[in-house]
Amino acid sequence: GQQLNQSPQSMFIQEGEDVSMNCTSSSIFNTWLWYKQDPGEGPVLLIALYKAGELTSNGRLTAQFGITRKDSFLNISASIPSDVGIYFCAGRRFSGTYKYIFGTGTRLKVLA
Amino acid sequence: EADIYQTPRYLVIGTGKKITLECSQTMGHDKMYWYQQDPGMELHLIHYSYGVNSTEKGDLSSESTVSRIRTEHFPLTLESARPSHTSQYLCASTAFGSERTEAFFGQGTRLTVV
Repeated sequence: GQQLNQSPQSMFIQEGEDVSMNCTSSSIFNTWLWYKQDPGEGPVLLIALYKAGELTSNGRLTAQFGITRKDSFLNISASIPSDVGIYFCAGRRFSGTYKYIFGTGTRLKVLA
Repeated sequence: EADIYQTPRYLVIGTGKKITLECSQTMGHDKMYWYQQDPGMELHLIHYSYGVNSTEKGDLSSESTVSRIRTEHFPLTLESARPSHTSQYLCASTAFGSERTEAFFGQGTRLTVV
């Protein structure tokens, strides 16, 4: 069943605004990945996180591995129209397994 | 950029036909995965493989089958397609024996069964 809760489910923002989304679970995760998916395409990896408390940036994107290991956050600064898409988090529960569980996605729409 | 390829990108096929969705990667990754995704919805793992001759069923039950005869190739087969199989199928792979285990995805196959 569903183990990763992602919020918000969708959001409309003005171009230039900052965006925040998060992913939470009742279980501890060893790895967090953040992806962006455009319609009809496969997910594209944005950021990978491997250590609790880790903060990693990729251009205007910044993601953090929560200290409790049960959550992760993604921030987008100064949004632009091409940021439109669905953002998914994915988690790997513990070492030794290479199965990723995906969140429900955050659908981002940017108003110019 | 990830080197993982899926063919065909789009497929419309009649009920009862046998189909094979192809997935190949040139990164030498040992682990490969198939996910099923309805439009705009979350991804569900249906099959995975940790190496040649290794295949396991994922968390979502699927009537499809997979094989892993070569490291780089992980095809998915439906023996008799039905309208309920209509969905997007995404293939992914990750590195073996590395602490960095990012999963890279292909562009997906959008399957429509009529």
